[in-house]
Amino acid sequence: EVQLVESGGGLVKPGSSLKLSCVASGFTFSSYGMHWIRQAPKKGLEWIALIYYDSSNKYYADSVKGRFTISRDNSKNTLYLEMNSLRSEDTAMYYCAKSTGFDYWGQGVMVTVSS
Amino acid sequence: DIQMTQSPSSMSASLGDRVTITCRASQDIGNYLSWFQQKPGKSPRRMIYGATNLAAGVPSRFSGSRSGSDYSLTISSLESEDMAIYYCLQSIQYPYTFGAGTKLELK
Repeated sequence: EVQLVESGGGLVKPGSSLKLSCVASGFTFSSYGMHWIRQAPKKGLEWIALIYYDSSNKYYADSVKGRFTISRDNSKNTLYLEMNSLRSEDTAMYYCAKSTGFDYWGQGVMVTVSS
Repeated sequence: DIQMTQSPSSMSASLGDRVTITCRASQDIGNYLSWFQQKPGKSPRRMIYGATNLAAGVPSRFSGSRSGSDYSLTISSLESEDMAIYYCLQSIQYPYTFGAGTKLELK
């Protein structure tokens, strides 16, 4: 059974940093690209980043480019999202999703940026 | 960036109704279009991929179609468990972009 479990969220102040993790199981993690998607409270879905299976390519939404970094450790079956210079508008539920069509999603982790 | 214009933003329908939700792409996206269902407090669930392909485990009353730059999700006979928000997603060009969502409610 494919499982994606996010962690690392919480309440942080504007300008601070946070690193999210997504631990994968039930499939060959090292063979698939992975995405991060977020959803602000009561708002729609926003794709924010993709990393190829071998970390050879990374893509970002303009809203997070230069502040967020997607990475992965295939030996640990883990995807990361390092978030710097956090703003109030980054407050959202953050989901990881398996590539090949977003066929599996994690349960999400909440990040709240507030003073 | 490719804009996905989704309509309607909300709708109410009765059990057994045929329901259609549409997304229009601002540029050619071929068949790189997926539909997702999201229920309150839950993660999105993929329903359709490649514009017309039913995802695993999705009931056959759901279908996807394309007419030019318009993509549609149709529920042939609405059931109570279908009440949710539906989103389209284009995945041909970065940044990937979602439609704004359609909230489907019971009349």
